[in-house]
Amino acid sequence: DGGITQSPKYLFRKEGQNVTLSCEQNLNHDAMYWYRQDPGQGLRLIYYSQIVNDFQKGDIAEGYSVSREKKESFPLTVTSAQKNPTAFYLCASNTRQGRYGYTFGSGTRLTVV
Amino acid sequence: AQRVTQPEKLLSVFKGAPVELKCNYSYSGSPELFWYVQYSRQRLQLLLRHISRESIKGFTADLNKGETSFHLKKPFAQEEDSAMYYCALSGARPSPDKLIFGTGTRLQVFP
Repeated sequence: DGGITQSPKYLFRKEGQNVTLSCEQNLNHDAMYWYRQDPGQGLRLIYYSQIVNDFQKGDIAEGYSVSREKKESFPLTVTSAQKNPTAFYLCASNTRQGRYGYTFGSGTRLTVV
Repeated sequence: AQRVTQPEKLLSVFKGAPVELKCNYSYSGSPELFWYVQYSRQRLQLLLRHISRESIKGFTADLNKGETSFHLKKPFAQEEDSAMYYCALSGARPSPDKLIFGTGTRLQVFP
């Protein structure tokens, strides 16, 4: 069953902690993306990667880090430097040509406690 | 700069009424435009793409380059159409695969 799997579904973080959100896809897509979804602000791009071992900052990369060691995996770390991390995080993948639209994961809701 | 604007945060209609969710974009090249939908407790999914000129679940959207618009329309709304709708644009170099999203419009269809 092809798709994208995000885990965990819910994550609670204490202030000052780093947390890592997992994103795995078996669609053989080259490109992967992390978005943050906040009410009234739509989806904002955090980081994206078009090929293994390479990634680019999106519009709101500060306080986040990523890695792309495998084609299937694109984990996102929310660091303690991210001032307002409570949000819904969406991972997506796509072909590099981008003509067919993204496939999205089911999301991770991160709450700082 | 590339930008997608969805002017309505909320659109409420009664079942059977026509629906038009507005989307305007700014982009100097040849954009590729998409509509995504997020039903309650479901993941965001592609509804339709302008390049395929298709109709999905009764929805259509026509790209109007003169007005730089890609409005989503349905002649008769159904209760199950209630969801969050996002318009998105791609095609901007150097990353043509990167999607730029609007802020979304919540559609409420009342019985």
